[in-house]
Amino acid sequence: DADVTQTPRNRITKTGKRIMLECSQTKGHDRMYWYRQDPGLGLRLIYYSFDVKDINKGEISDGYSVSRQAQAKFSLSLESAIPNQTALYFCATSDNQGIRYQETQYFGPGTRLLVL
Amino acid sequence: DQQVKQNSPSLSVQEGRISILNCDYTNSMFDYFLWYKKYPAEGPTFLISISSIKDKNEDGRFTVFLNKSAKHLSLHIVPSQPGDSAVYFCAASAKWGGGSNYKLTFGKGTLLTVNP
Repeated sequence: DADVTQTPRNRITKTGKRIMLECSQTKGHDRMYWYRQDPGLGLRLIYYSFDVKDINKGEISDGYSVSRQAQAKFSLSLESAIPNQTALYFCATSDNQGIRYQETQYFGPGTRLLVL
Repeated sequence: DQQVKQNSPSLSVQEGRISILNCDYTNSMFDYFLWYKKYPAEGPTFLISISSIKDKNEDGRFTVFLNKSAKHLSLHIVPSQPGDSAVYFCAASAKWGGGSNYKLTFGKGTLLTVNP
């Protein structure tokens, strides 16, 4: 079984709709992240959470919100989807190993979102 | 402002030969570097990393070299195999946001094709 799972894997929605992407992990990691990948732009950080009570904006958080329901679950919401939010979305987790900069992030399989 | 650059969008190599993927960075505060591999329809998977206090790290067929003075790192795959065909992302870690949190910055990726 995968350590980091994302649902749905694919989603088509219309402009203005609210949608939620979900992420669950069984790695026992405290830290979770949401990224988006656009063609030719690599991965960009949307939001991150270092524990259930700690949520922080990333570099491109506008138009998104998140909820950390438990250590294992981190959801990303698009309050009112727009076409330029069409992208591949990845959830990731990492463990605090003491040397904070030496963290390795582990990614889910991704959710492909199309906003019409 | 692209702080991590992978200037080659694609690379084609013959099976058995060496693959060399390159990555340049501009932020001298980066102190930990990672390579991820991504197959289509899957999330990025961690491949190998290197701390800024080292100049080489090896793991089986994969070796990462870091040249801090040139702000350059490279991933060598020897010998290359068809199963290595994937997109390779370079990532670098540094403090972000004025606090003590670290963030990964990703390059745009290089598509490696290993021909049988």
